[in-house]
Amino acid sequence: DAGVIQSPRHEVTEMGQEVTLRCKPISGHNSLFWYRQTMMRGLELLIYFNNNVPIDDSGMPEDRFSAKMPNASFSTLKIQPSEPRDSAVYFCASSLGANQPQHFGDGTRLSIL
Amino acid sequence: GQQVMQIPQYQHVQEGEDFTTYCNSSTTLSNIQWYKQRPGGHPVFLIQLVKSGEVKKQKRLTFQFGEAKKNSSLHITATQTTDVGTYFCAVVVLRQKLVFGQGTRLTINP
Repeated sequence: DAGVIQSPRHEVTEMGQEVTLRCKPISGHNSLFWYRQTMMRGLELLIYFNNNVPIDDSGMPEDRFSAKMPNASFSTLKIQPSEPRDSAVYFCASSLGANQPQHFGDGTRLSIL
Repeated sequence: GQQVMQIPQYQHVQEGEDFTTYCNSSTTLSNIQWYKQRPGGHPVFLIQLVKSGEVKKQKRLTFQFGEAKKNSSLHITATQTTDVGTYFCAVVVLRQKLVFGQGTRLTINP
């Protein structure tokens, strides 16, 4: 069975550019989560969706970050404009419910120069 | 604010020694989950504890949920180099979302 699929695996871009991260959750999972991980701040929940609807976006750092889930099999996290402090590993995870065990993708390693 | 405190932040052991990480909350938890993240990898779900005083084992790993459901521990007996990684506990907040602890990073001297 396919797990959570994220793309790209790595992204290096210059500050000011738009960055779009993509995620395909496990089929049948109705909760999807976006996390950011850094050495300084650990694993932070940015936003999560339940049945394609954003439930809690209190972790989104600022207006430069936005996330969408147009259907049950696809979500995007967009940063515009990007800044060097956005450099981190971004994980997408999905689960059968908001408080159920989560399955993580391999992550996107983002570097903003 | 911090929902759950995980200690220690780092632990270095000799291969063959035991290892324990603790997760503590000021509020009663409905359940607690444990994850492992290998260096360069992603968090992987290990187990979920639900009942007060529950103890579960996975080979050399023993997971406990406190009687008051406010704390939990993960104990590894006779560590091996494959146990290297960061161990996270995660708790449900307001029945809505999972909040991860800061993690305990385990390194092992072979």
